[in-house]
Amino acid sequence: DVKVTQSSRYLVKRTGEKVFLECVQDMDHENMFWYRQDPGLGLRLIYFSYDVKMKEKGDIPEGYSVSREKKERFSLILESASTNQTSMYLCASSSGTGNSGANVLTFGAGSRLTVL
Amino acid sequence: LAKTTQPISMDSYEGQEVNITCSHNNIATNDYITWYQQFPSQGPRFIIQGYKTKVTNEVASLFIPADRKSSTLSLPRVSLSDTAVYYCLVGGVGYNNNDMRFGAGTRLTVKP
Repeated sequence: DVKVTQSSRYLVKRTGEKVFLECVQDMDHENMFWYRQDPGLGLRLIYFSYDVKMKEKGDIPEGYSVSREKKERFSLILESASTNQTSMYLCASSSGTGNSGANVLTFGAGSRLTVL
Repeated sequence: LAKTTQPISMDSYEGQEVNITCSHNNIATNDYITWYQQFPSQGPRFIIQGYKTKVTNEVASLFIPADRKSSTLSLPRVSLSDTAVYYCLVGGVGYNNNDMRFGAGTRLTVKP
């Protein structure tokens, strides 16, 4: 079964800490994405990557950076965590080729981050 | 960028058929329509995808009229476990980051 695995299900960090959220996919997908989800705001795209070492900003990249050194791994980095970054973070991947249809996203289970 | 509009919430009862409509007036020629389901504290998961007319799989049907400006996700005989948020995405073949933006979704509540 295809999988997107997020390393931490729950994290609690302090303001100013550097936070790493790791995501690994085993489907050989070209594209990987990071979203955050907050009540009433739905899923918002932070960053995405369509190839190793490539990255593109989504709608809310401020305060975040990403790293994709290997095809299967996409990391979200909070350089200096703040309380307004408390949220559920969701990683997803998709194939770069459409096959018979548009790209279909496969999501991880999510990482709930609390910044105190 | 094809923007989508869905009802914020819907209620239903067990055993009923539920239809959730998504409006996408500026859908492009090569755009597909994809629906996802999300349970609390989980990531969304793919339900169904279509381009035109009707698509059916083991969990749902997707109806797309000829003008493709809307689509309807149909869930037959819902159960309590179908309580979730349902998202409609519109996007084209191949990669485009604009395809991967979610709207607010429809929160479906199934009552006993």
